[in-house]
Amino acid sequence: GENVEQHPSTLSVQEGDSAVIKCTYSDSASNYFPWYKQELGKRPQLIIDIRSNVGEKKDQRIAVTLNKTAKHFSLHITETQPEDSAVYFCAPRETSYDKVIFGPGTSLSVIP
Amino acid sequence: SQTIHQWPATLVQPVGSPLSLECTVEGTSNPNLYWYRQAAGRGLQLLFYSVGIGQISSEVPQNLSASRPQDRQFILSSKKLLLSDSGFYLCAWSPPDHEQYFGPGTRLTVT
Repeated sequence: GENVEQHPSTLSVQEGDSAVIKCTYSDSASNYFPWYKQELGKRPQLIIDIRSNVGEKKDQRIAVTLNKTAKHFSLHITETQPEDSAVYFCAPRETSYDKVIFGPGTSLSVIP
Repeated sequence: SQTIHQWPATLVQPVGSPLSLECTVEGTSNPNLYWYRQAAGRGLQLLFYSVGIGQISSEVPQNLSASRPQDRQFILSSKKLLLSDSGFYLCAWSPPDHEQYFGPGTRLTVT
């Protein structure tokens, strides 16, 4: 089964700085790489995803980069804002597998 | 558009009492369905998932069970709750090879 790790587990940045969260996985067959954001007391929601035929994807201040050889992908948030404060989860998987395992999460705090 | 419902939103139950949490999805057919539990300040633990009516895969043993009596209905149950069952229970659905969509969750406190 898939083993998923995230680093760091907690991250604190000043408003306006960048934040990077890394997700490493074990299953080389993984071909779908999403990132979810969970605000306090709310449900997780997808913020960006990437598939294995693409190395990088960007959506405004958020980007995801993928290194399939090294089996990791990263979430990049630029110009961080206080509303970016949340827990971020990755959930890499092979899309024909129905089982979905989430990483342990990274708690991001953006200090105004 | 698709919508996922969970109820109740909050629940306080004594140790040893039964549990039934319900999740329903609208606007799609034959979704994959998932139950996750999240302890305070922790990650998402996969409990059960289902790819069709009556098909349940269990990731967690012990005192929880799940059923899928209808295509878009997923139920989480327990005959006797433990203190360690407290947490935030999230139901999710996904179409094949896509992201998951989570319900609003049920916050369960076992006293």
